[in-house]
Amino acid sequence: DVKVTQSSRYLVKRTGEKVFLECVQDMDHENMFWYRQDPGLGLRLIYFSYDVKMKEKGDIPEGYSVSREKKERFSLILESASTNQTSMYLCASTVAREQYFGPGTRLTVT
Amino acid sequence: GQQLNQSPQSMFIQEGEDVSMNCTSSSIFNTWLWYKQDPGEGPVLLIALYKAGELTSNGRLTAQFGITRKDSFLNISASIPSDVGIYFCAGLGYSGAGSYQLTFGKGTKLSVIP
Repeated sequence: DVKVTQSSRYLVKRTGEKVFLECVQDMDHENMFWYRQDPGLGLRLIYFSYDVKMKEKGDIPEGYSVSREKKERFSLILESASTNQTSMYLCASTVAREQYFGPGTRLTVT
Repeated sequence: GQQLNQSPQSMFIQEGEDVSMNCTSSSIFNTWLWYKQDPGEGPVLLIALYKAGELTSNGRLTAQFGITRKDSFLNISASIPSDVGIYFCAGLGYSGAGSYQLTFGKGTKLSVIP
């Protein structure tokens, strides 16, 4: 079974804090993705990575950065969290033409 | 960019009824994926379709890759309460400059009345 895990299911942070969201996949996938999901807006791609140390901007990269130091791990960083970054964050990895999601992190910024 | 229209947005059905939902696009896709998402959870891949005309089943779920490569549908037969959730389609298509992009529908929210 493909397994994508995320470090936290629920997170509450204050405005201005630096936030790290971790994602790990155990299937040696090269491609990994970070999305946010908001009611009425669907899934929006923040960043993706095709290989270690490689990253590409998605549709809404502003306010985020990413890190991929190891193949299995893809981190999303909010340098200075803001209330408009309150959302459900979903990590995914791809094998062949199939994309698998993690369980999600519900982030609340107060 | 590529866009997917998924319909219906929501539906209420009686337990035991069959359900049908579909996704259409003006773009051609070479893969269609169907997901189910429970509240507070990540989407789970239900069915993957790889070629035009392909019909694939997974238990009570059946999905088809449209012959024009611009649409796909998902059917659920004999619905049960645990079918409740949001169903998403996603299409993988060429986005230019040698790269491919996965585009998601906005989802169909399914409610099942016991």
